[in-house]
Amino acid sequence: AQSVTQLDSQVPVFEEAPVELRCNYSSSVSVYLFWYVQYPNQGLQLLLKYLSGSTLVKGINGFEAEFNKSQTSFHLRKPSVHISDTAEYFCAVSGDQGAQKLVFGQGTRLTINP
Amino acid sequence: DARVTQTPRHKVTEMGQEVTMRCQPILGHNTVFWYRQTMMQGLELLAYFRNRAPLDDSGMPKDRFSAEMPDATLATLKIQPSEPRDSAVYFCASGLWGGGGQPQHFGDGTRLSIL
Repeated sequence: AQSVTQLDSQVPVFEEAPVELRCNYSSSVSVYLFWYVQYPNQGLQLLLKYLSGSTLVKGINGFEAEFNKSQTSFHLRKPSVHISDTAEYFCAVSGDQGAQKLVFGQGTRLTINP
Repeated sequence: DARVTQTPRHKVTEMGQEVTMRCQPILGHNTVFWYRQTMMQGLELLAYFRNRAPLDDSGMPKDRFSAEMPDATLATLKIQPSEPRDSAVYFCASGLWGGGGQPQHFGDGTRLSIL
């Protein structure tokens, strides 16, 4: 069975500051990892994904994430955040090929203060 | 830019009424998922289909919920009878089965309130 733990339910940061949203997963098989973002009153939008290869993955809106197999982590980072990054962020894991079902974390609410 | 379309976006109805939510997946996608999102439980997978056949509906209360795909362009989620605890945002997502790590593409959801 797979599970995802997002270690922070809320992260407040000031505009232009760096941010890291933490995600740990557990799985007995090889995994595919995803980060999604949800803006108010909208569905989830894919930020980035890790399939294989380079452990540093770059996504949209200046976000990147690093896959660490030994620590079973997939933390999301951005060097300088903007007010428009205020949203809920979800980490998810899938253990099989294709658009199989995802196991989501509980989400991290990122609030950017001016 | 292809999108998953969900209707209605909002629904308010009284307890005991039937509710039908619709989803139009992205053309060509062969996998459809239904999720429910609440503050308490977060995102829960209710059911999913591949090539219109149900693969897993173990997350769905069977006595009142039903999910179908009458054709490749329409998925439906019905609740009958509805109860206040069904109040939530229901999301549909679609994707491609096959190939590694295909992402799911989400609609904007149906916000359901049962009074």
